[in-house]
Amino acid sequence: NAGVIQTPRHKVTGKGQEATLWCEPISGHSAVFWYRQTIVQGLEFLTYFRNQAPIDDSGMPKERFSAQMPNQSHSTLKIQSTQPQDSAVYLCASSSYRDSGNTLYFGEGSRLIVV
Amino acid sequence: QQQVRQSPQSLTVWEGETAILNCSYENSAFDYFPWYQQFPGEGPALLIAIRSVSDKKEDGRFTIFFNKREKKLSLHITDSQPGDSATYFCAASESYGNEKITFGAGTKLTIKP
Repeated sequence: NAGVIQTPRHKVTGKGQEATLWCEPISGHSAVFWYRQTIVQGLEFLTYFRNQAPIDDSGMPKERFSAQMPNQSHSTLKIQSTQPQDSAVYLCASSSYRDSGNTLYFGEGSRLIVV
Repeated sequence: QQQVRQSPQSLTVWEGETAILNCSYENSAFDYFPWYQQFPGEGPALLIAIRSVSDKKEDGRFTIFFNKREKKLSLHITDSQPGDSATYFCAASESYGNEKITFGAGTKLTIKP
């Protein structure tokens, strides 16, 4: 069974450019989560979807960040007008009601560097 | 404010010793506490978890001790091995309602052979 797949693994973008990150959750999982990881802030929650519907986006910087889940097999995180402080590893995770407790299965992350 | 706090930030122990990682939380609604292990270049992976109805959970060399009254928990790793060197995250969530998991800042554990 393939794990959570994230692409690209690495992305370097110029300040002010747009960056789009993709996530393919584990087949059959009904929830998808996005986190941002930095040395300073640790693992920050951004947003999550259940059955493709947005449930909680309380961690999303509203002006430039957006996330979508157009179908059950992928989700995207888009950052417009990227800034150096957006540099981080963006982690996607999926989970299933079938698990006892809410276990998140993380991908390997997309490392974004804004220069 | 940080809802889940971890200490120490980093910890070094010798192979064979017991490593103790500490965690505390603020939100009384949290009732599920997983610990995740992360190796460099990888995403975090669930190591062990406990629900607030229990005060102890064991899985091999890994044990969680939980004190609901004090809102504290700890992860004990006995007979530490060099392969246990990783960053460990304490996390918390509510069983019902919002499934968001809140993570602590992590403890970087190094096991010296």
